[in-house]
Amino acid sequence: DTAVSQTPKYLVTQMGNDKSIKCEQNLGHDTMYWYKQDSKKFLKIMFSYNNKELIINETVPNRFSPKSPDKAHLNLHINSLELGDSAVYFCASSYNGQGASSTQYFGPGTRLTVL
Amino acid sequence: AQKITQTQPGMFVQEKEAVTLDCTYDTSDPSYGLFWYKQPSSGEMIFLIYQGSYDQQNATEGRYSLNFQKARKSANLVISASQLGDSAMYFCAMRPPLLNEKLTFGTGTRLTIIP
Repeated sequence: DTAVSQTPKYLVTQMGNDKSIKCEQNLGHDTMYWYKQDSKKFLKIMFSYNNKELIINETVPNRFSPKSPDKAHLNLHINSLELGDSAVYFCASSYNGQGASSTQYFGPGTRLTVL
Repeated sequence: AQKITQTQPGMFVQEKEAVTLDCTYDTSDPSYGLFWYKQPSSGEMIFLIYQGSYDQQNATEGRYSLNFQKARKSANLVISASQLGDSAMYFCAMRPPLLNEKLTFGTGTRLTIIP
């Protein structure tokens, strides 16, 4: 009964390739997020979607394109992978509310390594 | 803009002792939420505790409590009776009052429990 799941857990690929990471949540949340954790463990928001609509788009290269087919899924597609894209990518989800109900729950992370 | 500062990059604590992890924040919003997450070596992000800026009492969840001092803009996490399984990275995060908003994270504190 995994709450937020991501696939794959590990992704090793060559520079220049295109890859996708999938995220699904079964918590009934209406908002989903992508965060990037760099090698120094710093976490930063990339995107957020609410009911399939893009809400937050931080300064992220155009090579990154999120897609939300429905409110339970948020995928991340990355074109022309670069060495600097190597990181752990976390999906998260929350209710569209305030207070404790706004708590974001994270997936297990996808460790992307670009060679 | 919101900012979270965690000044302790690493801490070593004897098993069964209590430990306090520091977190200070900066925001001009009167309303905000503060969160603590644990990231063990396995990599997942685990939500621990939430404190709302208007909450009158400090939040508690089992062995975790939050020492919230609004005037000082601090939200320290206190872990009582530490266990070996508490060894992990701990992140303090803040969320503004707007809906669908991102979490802003601190740089984390690596806690090591010594048997």
